[in-house]
Amino acid sequence: DAMVIQNPRYQVTQFGKPVTLSCSQTLNHNVMYWYQQKSSQAPKLLFHYYDKDFNNEADTPDNFQSRRPNTSFCFLDIRSPGLGDAAMYLCATSRGSGGFYEQYFGPGTRLTVT
Amino acid sequence: TQLLEQSPQFLSIQEGENLTVYCNSSSVFSSLQWYRQEPGEGPVLLVTVVTGGEVKKLKRLTFQFGDARKDSSLHITAAQPGDTGLYLCAGERDTGNQFYFGTGTSLTVIP
Repeated sequence: DAMVIQNPRYQVTQFGKPVTLSCSQTLNHNVMYWYQQKSSQAPKLLFHYYDKDFNNEADTPDNFQSRRPNTSFCFLDIRSPGLGDAAMYLCATSRGSGGFYEQYFGPGTRLTVT
Repeated sequence: TQLLEQSPQFLSIQEGENLTVYCNSSSVFSSLQWYRQEPGEGPVLLVTVVTGGEVKKLKRLTFQFGDARKDSSLHITAAQPGDTGLYLCAGERDTGNQFYFGTGTSLTVIP
C-alpha cells in the first residue's frame, strides 16, 4: 500500500505559468519534506514542515512556496516556473526529526517546463 | 557548498565484483544514512549509523561510520545486477536536525 503519494507523476507546465504539486501521506507522520532533484544529482532539500511549523532552506528561491493544510497533505507551489526548475520533485515524511527517524519518500513528480 | 562528497560519482562493474563507495565531509555528523534510489522512484533507506566506528551489515552490504563521524563507506560484496541504482549518503549535522544528501554514486552492475 502506498504510504507517500505524489500527484501527478508527470507534470508539464509553461514558462511562467504557476503550478502546484501535491503530496499526501497515510503514515500520520509529523514531518513532511520537499526535495528538488535534477538529473543525475542528489536531492536538494527545499523546505520542510514539522507539524505546522514551516522551515525554509536559506537557498530556496522565493519562487517556491509550500502549504500544509493538515497532517496528511502538503503542496509545493511554483509561482513562475523557469526552465531551470525542470526537475524531479520528491516529497518525504518522517515521524520526527533526526537520525533515528527514517524518511519515507514518494515516487516523485517529474516537472517539465516548456 | 556541498557538505558531503561521494566518490566515485559513476561506477560500472561486472556481476560478482566487489566495490566500495565513499562519503566524505569536513563536518561532523551526529548520524548518517545511506539510501538507494532506482530510476523513476524515490530513495529508500538502507541503514542509519550513529556511533563513530560503527559497522553495520545488510546481507552483502557493509556500512561503516568513521571514528570522527565525518565520513562513511559502503562496501558491496559480489555485486548483482539488482544492486544497480543511485546510492546516496545523507548526514545530519550536530547543529541541526535535517539531513543533507551527498553528491551520489551511480552504480551499474553488468550481468
